[in-house]
Amino acid sequence: GAGVSQSPRYKVAKRGQDVALRCDPISGHVSLFWYQQALGQGPEFLTYFQNEAQLDKSGLPSDRFFAERPEGSVSTLKIQRTQQEDSAVYLCASSFHGALNSPLHFGNGTRLTVT
Amino acid sequence: QKEVEQDPGPLSVPEGAIVSLNCTYSNSAFQYFMWYRQYSRKGPELLMYTYSSGNKEDGRFTAQVDKSSKYISLFIRDSQPSDSATYLCAMSAKQAGTALIFGKGTTLSVSS
Repeated sequence: GAGVSQSPRYKVAKRGQDVALRCDPISGHVSLFWYQQALGQGPEFLTYFQNEAQLDKSGLPSDRFFAERPEGSVSTLKIQRTQQEDSAVYLCASSFHGALNSPLHFGNGTRLTVT
Repeated sequence: QKEVEQDPGPLSVPEGAIVSLNCTYSNSAFQYFMWYRQYSRKGPELLMYTYSSGNKEDGRFTAQVDKSSKYISLFIRDSQPSDSATYLCAMSAKQAGTALIFGKGTTLSVSS
């Protein structure tokens, strides 16, 4: 597949559990973004990688959220001790480079439900 | 007040209608303006990209930016049922490697 792939598509976690969400960007894309989209809202920025370097993590809502991209390709967003307010769709996007006229290609997201 | 305001709708129109979607914003530093389309249970896809003020046309879609009024618009001509989706405006102050600020999205339904 040529697109951004995210797994799992759906995740149900009990409150307090840890979860890990995976993103496979388009091959060769330098920039990778994570966004959080609550129901009925637009996506909100979480963090940004350029290759393996995390250049901006200002949108991570708490220290329970952690993201990595160790080899500059696949990225994992980890949420520790999940809370109900973490329920949302987590979107990953990649682009060839970080410029805005290099289109962001979004995956279809992971829908996380915390019960 | 949020940085980007967008009426969530829903907006229902008959096939063939001209659709007007709008966003207002408060941050005068925004220079880069985008419109994304998001189908249900899918990720957003980029429709239009505009730098600074002016108009841009691509097929049935026209994007307008009025920086003096802090107002952007997307017009869809000859709307089709396949245009039924949520339309998100997004904007940024910097070009490279920076987070977009999205509106809430407007849900559009085009009936045949």
